[in-house]
Amino acid sequence: AQSVTQLGSHVSVSEGALVLLRCNYSSSVPPYLFWYVQYPNQGLQLLLKYTTGATLVKGINGFEAEFKKSETSFHLTKPSAHMSDAAEYFCAVSDRAGTASKLTFGTGTRLQVTL
Amino acid sequence: EAGVAQSPRYKIIEKRQSVAFWCNPISGHATLYWYQQILGQGPKLLIQFQNNGVVDDSQLPKDRFSAERLKGVDSTLKIQPAKLEDSAVYLCASSLMGWMSGNTIYFGEGSWLTVV
Repeated sequence: AQSVTQLGSHVSVSEGALVLLRCNYSSSVPPYLFWYVQYPNQGLQLLLKYTTGATLVKGINGFEAEFKKSETSFHLTKPSAHMSDAAEYFCAVSDRAGTASKLTFGTGTRLQVTL
Repeated sequence: EAGVAQSPRYKIIEKRQSVAFWCNPISGHATLYWYQQILGQGPKLLIQFQNNGVVDDSQLPKDRFSAERLKGVDSTLKIQPAKLEDSAVYLCASSLMGWMSGNTIYFGEGSWLTVV
């Protein structure tokens, strides 16, 4: 069975500051890892995903994440926060690709960006 | 390209009543998912369809929840009778063929259910 732990249900940063959202996973097989963003009253939007290959993954809106197998982590970062980044962020893991795949989500981290 | 469409967006019902949610996936997407997102939690998969067949319904409370995708396109999720703990956002999602490198799972805006 796979699981995801997101450390910190709420994170607050100043505009222009570094964003760091933490995600640790548990999986018995090599995982596939995802970050989704959810703006108020909207569905989830894929930010980025790691499947194979390069461990540093770049996504939309200036976000990136690094897969670290030794630390079982997939932390999300952005060098400079914008007010528009305020949202809920979910880390997710899948243990397979293809028709039988499904995503297991963490509990989410709410990012607040202040002036 | 039209996204995943869901209706109704908001629904308030009394406990023990029934409710149905409808989802129209992105055209051509064979895989359809229903997720339940309770306030303060991450989405939890209820059921996954591949065309009109069920791939995974292990977390669907089958005594009160049912879902169908008869023609392999749109889908309906029904709750009968509803309980207070069913208050949540019900998210529909779709993808071409599960997810694979190059495929993405797309989510709808969700149907918000409040049971009073």
